Amino acid sequence: GQQVMQIPQYQHVQEGEDFTTYCNSSTTLSNIQWYKQRPGGHPVFLIQLVKSGEVKKQKRLTFQFGEAKKNSSLHITATQTTDVGTYFCAGRGAGNQFYFGTGTSLTVIP
Amino acid sequence: GAGVSQSPRYKVAKRGQDVALRCDPISGHVSLFWYQQALGQGPEFLTYFQNEAQLDKSGLPSDRFFAERPEGSVSTLKIQRTQQEDSAVYLCASSLVSENSPLHFGNGTRLTVT
Repeated sequence: GQQVMQIPQYQHVQEGEDFTTYCNSSTTLSNIQWYKQRPGGHPVFLIQLVKSGEVKKQKRLTFQFGEAKKNSSLHITATQTTDVGTYFCAGRGAGNQFYFGTGTSLTVIP
Repeated sequence: GAGVSQSPRYKVAKRGQDVALRCDPISGHVSLFWYQQALGQGPEFLTYFQNEAQLDKSGLPSDRFFAERPEGSVSTLKIQRTQQEDSAVYLCASSLVSENSPLHFGNGTRLTVT
């Protein structure tokens, strides 16, 4: 079945440092979405990427979709304590369901 | 407007009991998804509806799990003869159409099987 892996599983950074999480799929994805889940909360949609090689920015967040549409990354510049949470990618495969990655838990040390 | 509503928020069941988890999607959302999230893990896909049609149930872990959405709105996930490994947070999400729409998640139901 569909497998979406993320690395690293955990990341601790000092406030102000950059952070990157990588998402890799075993199959080609139709599109990919990114979600953020705060501790005790539910996943909240951040962005969607559809085109091969697409890059999107949201303030300090940069999202990329690989040329082969099998991998993606999220980069946060100059992390803040409000960035704390777990970041998930979710890939849409051949059907219409989304398969979530294993997640990267980000801790920001003030 | 109201978001996705799930009830109950917490459920404790003794092993062997049946449970029913309810999801009220955002009004007008065609697609509805159920996910299972174990502690420290990502949400695992269980099943997907488009209106009242269950288009994919490939993620349901066993025949003890059953989901329905009879009128294309509210959905119920039923787990029969609960086992300890069923303990998890059950998340429901809805979207306008599934293809390129974001998923809107409810707060989930935390199921603990003792």
